[in-house]
Amino acid sequence: AQKVTQAQTEISVVEKEDVTLDCVYETRDTTYYLFWYKQPPSGELVFLIRRNSFDEQNEISGRYSWNFQKSTSSFNFTITASQVVDSAVYFCALRGPNAGKSTFGDGTTLTVKP
Amino acid sequence: GAVVSQHPSWVICKSGTSVKIECRSLDFQATTMFWYRQFPKQSLMLMATSNEGSKATYEQGVEKDKFLINHASLTLSTLTVTSAHPEDSSFYICSARDGREDQPQHFGDGTRLSIL
Repeated sequence: AQKVTQAQTEISVVEKEDVTLDCVYETRDTTYYLFWYKQPPSGELVFLIRRNSFDEQNEISGRYSWNFQKSTSSFNFTITASQVVDSAVYFCALRGPNAGKSTFGDGTTLTVKP
Repeated sequence: GAVVSQHPSWVICKSGTSVKIECRSLDFQATTMFWYRQFPKQSLMLMATSNEGSKATYEQGVEKDKFLINHASLTLSTLTVTSAHPEDSSFYICSARDGREDQPQHFGDGTRLSIL
């Protein structure tokens, strides 16, 4: 069975601080896909990034960066110099090969205060 | 990027009525569509998965006769909440992806359903 754990339920930071959102996963598949989604207060979920299990390269996109480590089954998400607009619920998700559905973590609510 | 359109955004109706929610993929063919329910400050709860032209696969505990799902084409899926009651009030979100294994899901904006 697959499992995604986002241990941090809520995080509060002050603008310009860096913040890391943790994601730990469990799977028996050797091929799998990891995703991060953002859900702002308005409700719509937005896809942020996808990572394949065979690609452990870290990725940076502007203020966002992702650290994928198979050795620790983690796929952490860091926001550098956080902004108020980053306030949202962030979900980490896992999907196996040929799988229709993804397994979502419980989400981490990030609040960035001005 | 891929766009999923979900309508309506808000629904308020009386207990006992049926409500239909539409989910359309606007610029890609959605081989698979998903329907989720989300309670305040909680994660997404998958209700069912549907593949175009096939019957939906419901998650355990989800009433098939209560939540009717139709995925008649590669761009449209509907969720009908039949004989809705106040306990059905929730935020319903549809999601779609194409047939490629590694592709992410794309989400609609969600429908806030309030049953009086």
